[in-house]
Amino acid sequence: QITLKESGPTLVKPTQTLTLTCTVSGFSLRSNGVGVGWIRQPPGKAPEWLTLIYWDDDKRYSPSLRSRLTVTKDTSKDQVVLTLTNMAPVDTATYYCVRIKYGPENWGQGILVTVSS
Amino acid sequence: QSVLTQPPSTSGTPGQRVTISCSGNTSNIGTNYAYWYQQFPGTAPKRLIFRNDQRPSGVPDRFSGSKSGTSASLVISGLRSEDEADYYCAAWDDSLSGWVFGGGTKLTVL
Repeated sequence: QITLKESGPTLVKPTQTLTLTCTVSGFSLRSNGVGVGWIRQPPGKAPEWLTLIYWDDDKRYSPSLRSRLTVTKDTSKDQVVLTLTNMAPVDTATYYCVRIKYGPENWGQGILVTVSS
Repeated sequence: QSVLTQPPSTSGTPGQRVTISCSGNTSNIGTNYAYWYQQFPGTAPKRLIFRNDQRPSGVPDRFSGSKSGTSASLVISGLRSEDEADYYCAAWDDSLSGWVFGGGTKLTVL
């Protein structure tokens, strides 16, 4: 059974850096053709794709957030880590970790991150 | 402003057939596959359709997808009360080198 679980802070202050960890099970981060991405969804709004890291360490970033985003993976820990710098209230959203093969396929439960002083 | 365009809402009565449209361009739906997701309040989106018209195992065959040119459609036949949810389309965008989503369609079962 494939599962993904997000962990990290649920409250961050403006200007701080957000670091979220996605721990996966049921598949390998080395599996050919597989990627793990981060997608966020502000309350009441549509999902927004942020970043994606492939099995071969190829990385893609949303053009609008590229300067603030970093994604890395640790295959020995089955983890993918997202960092988003200079957080602002508009970054308040549920952040999902997603396994991507034939499109965004398996979603984590999500973690609601609120940006507030 | 989402890259893919969906109607904000639609409705139907039990047993009816409803269609949700998703309009894109040559960089996304026109060139790549369309995907559809169903989302209930407080839960993560669930994949309904992949690669334009493929259903994952466990998704009822009441749900079907199609693509024509730069648009995609999701059809729900034999509408049921439990289909009341938000529906999102998505596609890979070659210009952005990333995934794009529609703004979502809220389906109400009357």
